[in-house]
Amino acid sequence: GEDVEQSLFLSVREGDSSVINCTYTDSSSTYLYWYKQEPGAGLQLLTYIFSNMDMKQDQRLTVLLNKKDKHLSLRIADTQTGDSAIYFCAESIGGATNKLIFGTGTLLAVQP
Amino acid sequence: DGGITQSPKYLFRKEGQNVTLSCEQNLNHDAMYWYRQDPGQGLRLIYYSQIVNDFQKGDIAEGYSVSREKKESFPLTVTSAQKNPTAFYLCASSGTASGYNSPLHFGNGTRLTVT
Repeated sequence: GEDVEQSLFLSVREGDSSVINCTYTDSSSTYLYWYKQEPGAGLQLLTYIFSNMDMKQDQRLTVLLNKKDKHLSLRIADTQTGDSAIYFCAESIGGATNKLIFGTGTLLAVQP
Repeated sequence: DGGITQSPKYLFRKEGQNVTLSCEQNLNHDAMYWYRQDPGQGLRLIYYSQIVNDFQKGDIAEGYSVSREKKESFPLTVTSAQKNPTAFYLCASSGTASGYNSPLHFGNGTRLTVT
């Protein structure tokens, strides 16, 4: 079945780059997403990448996709304390619906 | 502003009672979804609806029911048959343009506590 895995925790210092990793199993995924969740809130879409791309850059965010290894990463440049949150990777198992399979989330802690 | 509204933000119920969580969207999206979030388990799909008057079970539908009488609204009822109802519930919606399903947009969630 489909499965998405992430490491649970990442700690970085303010100003450093953060790299959050994700692996997925469904090779037919059409889109892969990164969402951010702040405490007590819903999920905010950060960025997404189509499966035929290998990189997407959006301001401080860079997404890398290695389709052969089914590995997705999110790099946050110049990490700020406001970036502290849980980050979820999700794959779209698609077809006629937009059902997403989510990873367990990575808690990013930014130290001042 | 367009968005998804979930209410209430916090909900407390006694065991054995049914409870209904509200989700309203003004994004004109066709599809709506309910996810459950538990610590350390990510999000799991409960029910989804691609169009008015139609809905499908997700991965953990047992003990839940939904309705989709209006495009804007997708209420979730947590019944007394749900064994572990205490959780954070998230509603989402997505639209369709030229056959492409847009990313999911989420509401701010309802935290349900059953004692």
